[in-house]
Amino acid sequence: EAAVTQSPRSKVAVTGGKVTLSCHQTNNHDYMYWYRQDTGHGLRLIHYSYVADSTEKGDIPDGYKASRPSQENFSLILELASLSQTAVYFCASSERPLSNERLFFGHGTKLSVL
Amino acid sequence: GDSVTQTEGQVTVSESKSLIINCTYSTTSIAYPNLFWYVRYPGEGLQLLLKVITAGQKGSSRGFEATYNKETTSFHLQKASVQESDSAVYYCALGLPGGSNAKLTFGKGTKLSVKS
Repeated sequence: EAAVTQSPRSKVAVTGGKVTLSCHQTNNHDYMYWYRQDTGHGLRLIHYSYVADSTEKGDIPDGYKASRPSQENFSLILELASLSQTAVYFCASSERPLSNERLFFGHGTKLSVL
Repeated sequence: GDSVTQTEGQVTVSESKSLIINCTYSTTSIAYPNLFWYVRYPGEGLQLLLKVITAGQKGSSRGFEATYNKETTSFHLQKASVQESDSAVYYCALGLPGGSNAKLTFGKGTKLSVKS
């Protein structure tokens, strides 16, 4: 079974601090994604990548950076964390592009910015 | 833009009773969308429950069913007899083709609580 591992599982950060969320997949998938979920919203796409050393903006990229140093690893970086970035973050991977493809998700990272 | 609307908030159902979670979608794309149901069990990540990529077809998995209805733009999730182990959050999603720019739009999620 394909596996996507996120770390940490939860984090408390201070406003203005830097936060890095990590994601590692053993699926040999080219496509990786970062989503956030807030109460009252569906999952929203922040950044994605379809090849190492390249990232693309999703629907809500402001305030976030992404890094894909290798096929297996995909990080989400909050340079200056803000209260509004409190949410649950999910990493996912897929073999082919999104539209009709099964996504494999990590367990999620609960981020609280205080 | 594209959107997915599903039964809001939490649904509580007694064990062995039937379930329906409504899902309707809206899209400005001329392409036929692909439709998905994902489920998130407590403490776990989302996982695919079922998907249907052809209008008029029905998908099924673990006793759940959903039919892709292009006329009513709906993809309701149903189960005839729920179990406690079905307690989870269910997400309807709309997939639109576009190569590397393909999109997947999720609904807000519906939390199902099954009481014994």
